[in-house]
Amino acid sequence: AQSVTQLDSQVPVFEEAPVELRCNYSSSVSVYLFWYVQYPNQGLQLLLKYLSGSTLVKGINGFEAEFNKSQTSFHLRKPSVHISDTAEYFCAVSARLSGGYNKLIFGAGTRLAVHP
Amino acid sequence: NAGVTQTPKFQVLKTGQSMTLQCAQDMNHEYMSWYRQDPGMGLRLIHYSVGAGITDQGEVPNGYNVSRSTTEDFPLRLLSAAPSQTSVYFCASSLPGGPAGGSEAFFGQGTRLTVV
Repeated sequence: AQSVTQLDSQVPVFEEAPVELRCNYSSSVSVYLFWYVQYPNQGLQLLLKYLSGSTLVKGINGFEAEFNKSQTSFHLRKPSVHISDTAEYFCAVSARLSGGYNKLIFGAGTRLAVHP
Repeated sequence: NAGVTQTPKFQVLKTGQSMTLQCAQDMNHEYMSWYRQDPGMGLRLIHYSVGAGITDQGEVPNGYNVSRSTTEDFPLRLLSAAPSQTSVYFCASSLPGGPAGGSEAFFGQGTRLTVV
């Protein structure tokens, strides 16, 4: 069965510093991987996704993530954060339901707090 | 450009009461789903639908009912509310294949439900 572990529940960082949010997944089959962001009192918004091809995936707002199959990781990075990046970030992996349909399995989330 | 609209935004119920959370989307998406978000647990799938007239259970379906009579609407019914159903509920829609098939999921702003 697939699962997702986000290694940090909270990450404090100063403005303009780099940040890495860590995500490990477990799966015995090929997967699709996603990062979603949730700003305060909002729904989730897709940041980026890995389906196939290049292991370095670029998303919106200057974020990128690297798929590492051997380490089963999909860490999210940004070289210089802004106050506006303060939000909760969710890593997710695809999983196949009975009947052939898919669902997303989410990690518990990482709260990124950017301080001036 | 409404996207996914959820109503109400906030609701307080007494134990044993029933209610319906509304979800409507105007993007003509076939795939719709309901998640609940609890602290430290990420999002968990309650029910999903791959088209009008087709619904199925997710990870945590007990105590909830859904139907899909139109492409646009996907209401979630709480049959007899319990304190364990206190949570934030999100509705999401996406193109065929669903989010785990690589399609971006578009989320509503959520309904914060408290059961006392």
